[in-house]
Amino acid sequence: GAVVSQHPSWVICKSGTSVKIECRSLDFQATTMFWYRQFPKQSLMLMATSNEGSKATYEQGVEKDKFLINHASLTLSTLTVTSAHPEDSSFYICSAPIPHLPDTQYFGPGTRLTVL
Amino acid sequence: DAKTTQPPSMDCAEGRAANLPCNHSTISGNEYVYWYRQIHSQGPQYIIHGLKNNETNEMASLIITEDRKSSTLILPHATLRDTAVYYCIVRITLQGAQKLVFGQGTRLTINP
Repeated sequence: GAVVSQHPSWVICKSGTSVKIECRSLDFQATTMFWYRQFPKQSLMLMATSNEGSKATYEQGVEKDKFLINHASLTLSTLTVTSAHPEDSSFYICSAPIPHLPDTQYFGPGTRLTVL
Repeated sequence: DAKTTQPPSMDCAEGRAANLPCNHSTISGNEYVYWYRQIHSQGPQYIIHGLKNNETNEMASLIITEDRKSSTLILPHATLRDTAVYYCIVRITLQGAQKLVFGQGTRLTINP
């Protein structure tokens, strides 16, 4: 069945470097995808809505210049954490709407980012 | 979107039915009740949703009270793999993709 994949599943980087996370919809198209962040023992926090062919919509308090989102095709959205710092260490999860179930979503497996 | 209230944690014995409550007393007439769950270190998984009628699928049953102010997710025969955080979300359904806002959910532990 349709699923959402993320790559990488985990990444460790040095402070100040940039990290790109990919989110792909498999076997279905997604004109919209969502990016969430989750800190340990906390709930998911929506960061932004990724729109194919147009600019992403960011939630209040999320720095768009730090978290760059590109939705270049109907099956791929990328999140780039620029100049990462230890406080950016988190679990990043993307999601895409389920085609045959309005307003429900498939979620990716998540990417664990650790910034040293 | 209407606010939901869930108990922070629950325990259930393996093989028994797990009943997870959710209060949504401010729900409006066009808002649906959605349930997702998140197993540790994985992305959330859609379970079920409903408007006012009870719903059942291969994963669970959703019982919504007549006044729609609360609902219960039922896992009929819980297994150890059902241990997860369960999120109840209330929102309207619109055309096109809409964002989901997650609360703190209920941490369900299935005990052997």
